[in-house]
Amino acid sequence: EAQVTQNPRYLITVTGKKLTVTCSQNMNHEYMSWYRQDPGLGLRQIYYSMNVEVTDKGDVPEGYKVSRKEKRNFPLILESPSPNQTSLYFCASSFSPGTAYNEQFFGPGTRLTVL
Amino acid sequence: AQSVTQLDSHVSVSEGTPVLLRCNYSSSYSPSLFWYVQHPNKGLQLLLKYTSAATLVKGINGFEAEFKKSETSFHLTKPSAHMSDAAEYFCVVTGSYGQNFVFGPGTRLSVLP
Repeated sequence: EAQVTQNPRYLITVTGKKLTVTCSQNMNHEYMSWYRQDPGLGLRQIYYSMNVEVTDKGDVPEGYKVSRKEKRNFPLILESPSPNQTSLYFCASSFSPGTAYNEQFFGPGTRLTVL
Repeated sequence: AQSVTQLDSHVSVSEGTPVLLRCNYSSSYSPSLFWYVQHPNKGLQLLLKYTSAATLVKGINGFEAEFKKSETSFHLTKPSAHMSDAAEYFCVVTGSYGQNFVFGPGTRLSVLP
């Protein structure tokens, strides 16, 4: 089944404890992206990657890191989480941005709580 | 830079009546536009998309949207609401290179029996 998977789905952690949220897609998509969803704000883009080893900042990149060493994986790293990073996180992928095949497919989400 | 305004944060309709969810966008380039739906405690599902082909776009579950460049709008409509349509709806714009997906704040649709 074609899908985007994220792990973990739920995570409670404490301030300053490094964590990684994994994202993987099995559709051979070039483009991957991370978003956070907060009430009343919709989804805001954190980072995106146009292809392997190519990443760029979205609208809210502060406090986050990403890497794209393989086409299928795009982990999100919080090196020193803070309570304002408590949010619902979505990973997404698309075949080819800027073309007719640019719709994004979303993972199920990761609910992160930072105490 | 692109931006999206969803004019209503909450819309309430009765089952069987029409649905109208409004979206206005700002983009420096010829945009691609999307509507996504998010049911409670679920991920996001693509309803429909516009990519400079026909201005009237048909999507899943009876939804459609019309791209109006002169009004910079991309409103979502459905002739007859169903209880299962109750969800959060997001309008999304992306630029000509597609690297930035900009979401609107969302419109919560309630469907009353």
